[in-house]
Amino acid sequence: QKEVEQDPGPLSVPEGAIVSLNCTYSNSAFQYFMWYRQYSRKGPELLMYTYSSGNKEDGRFTAQVDKSSKYISLFIRDSQPSDSATYLCAMTYGQNFVFGPGTRLSVLP
Amino acid sequence: GAVVSQHPSWVICKSGTSVKIECRSLDFQATTMFWYRQFPKQSLMLMATSNEGSKATYEQGVEKDKFLINHASLTLSTLTVTSAHPEDSSFYICSARGLRDSPYEQYFGPGTRLTVT
Repeated sequence: QKEVEQDPGPLSVPEGAIVSLNCTYSNSAFQYFMWYRQYSRKGPELLMYTYSSGNKEDGRFTAQVDKSSKYISLFIRDSQPSDSATYLCAMTYGQNFVFGPGTRLSVLP
Repeated sequence: GAVVSQHPSWVICKSGTSVKIECRSLDFQATTMFWYRQFPKQSLMLMATSNEGSKATYEQGVEKDKFLINHASLTLSTLTVTSAHPEDSSFYICSARGLRDSPYEQYFGPGTRLTVT
């Protein structure tokens, strides 16, 4: 079993749709949970981070962490074509920083 | 915000030659730098972690004699791919963090696309 798993996609949605991206993990030691966005042939950029369980909202983006289920989600409201990218979840504890495999999202105008 | 640059952004080299990729932190002191490689449609795979002034720590399966990492200053780390082969063709991304950064903070460079012919 991989340490972090993520639906690989690709995921195509119409503009304005609500997008749900999810990751599951196996190591209960993870403390920080992050979502990165990566455009094609670019480095990842940090979208949001959450410490421990709970929700965090930033504009159209909401991150949720459920440590009891070892499950994290990123919701994108009113999705835009500019949101088309690969979304990577990541989590860390101590010096360990682990990425999920990424979900490729296309938002169609 | 913290900015990390990489040079070159893309490079083509012949099989058997060596190529050096630079990673620079432009506005902060990077006490730790990470090197990743990413194959098409796959996630980032950590290759090695380097702390300024120390030898790099390589992940299992990464040949340290093939992928030479130097982190000689607080703003520069280099990755040298020695005797490159076509299977080394990949997207190489560095990231950096400073001493006082929180555990979730890691600033990524734009990546370098290496093609070995």
